Amino acid sequence: EPEVTQTPSHQVTQMGQEVILRCVPISNHLYFYWYRQILGQKVEFLVSFYNNEISEKSEIFDDQFSVERPDGSNFTLKIRSTKLEDSAMYFCASSPAGRRNEQFFGPGTRLTVL
Amino acid sequence: GEDVEQSLFLSVREGDSSVINCTYTDSSSTYLYWYKQEPGAGLQLLTYIFSNMDMKQDQRLTVLLNKKDKHLSLRIADTQTGDSAIYFCAEGTSGGSYIPTFGRGTSLIVHP
Repeated sequence: EPEVTQTPSHQVTQMGQEVILRCVPISNHLYFYWYRQILGQKVEFLVSFYNNEISEKSEIFDDQFSVERPDGSNFTLKIRSTKLEDSAMYFCASSPAGRRNEQFFGPGTRLTVL
Repeated sequence: GEDVEQSLFLSVREGDSSVINCTYTDSSSTYLYWYKQEPGAGLQLLTYIFSNMDMKQDQRLTVLLNKKDKHLSLRIADTQTGDSAIYFCAEGTSGGSYIPTFGRGTSLIVHP
């Protein structure tokens, strides 16, 4: 069964460094998402992406964040200058055309900022 | 803003039924979801119910929705040790975005 994959599973970085989190959505899906979950807190929406542009973003998704679909398969989240409070689990998700309410999640990338 | 609340822990004996409860505040919710997260894995969409439905059954899973009280529950019949996971309740609207608002998750522990 097709699934969303994410790499790396764990990323450790120094404060102020840039990180890129990678996702490969399910191949025939058209809508892509990033969420994050800070330890002990709720899963929070960051951004959604459709037709090569951001379709919606939350207040969390400020100028330090960016997303890109550099080719036909990858979907990336870049955090430009990481802060301690960016430490979280980051989940990628995708959904098919006509069924946007059905989101398929990847296993997540745990980002630790030191 | 929207809020979704659920209890943090539930412990049941193998073979019993589990009932995980959730309340939400957004009266315009169109979809109510249950996701399951096993250790080291992502969120898996278990089932969802439209807000104009009262109940949905899918094998061992029964979802009940009380729209008046904004209360959602997930019942797992004949709970197995493999059902041990975190269960997230979420609500979403069809007003363009379908972005779910999640609860904090309920850790279901199934013991023999």
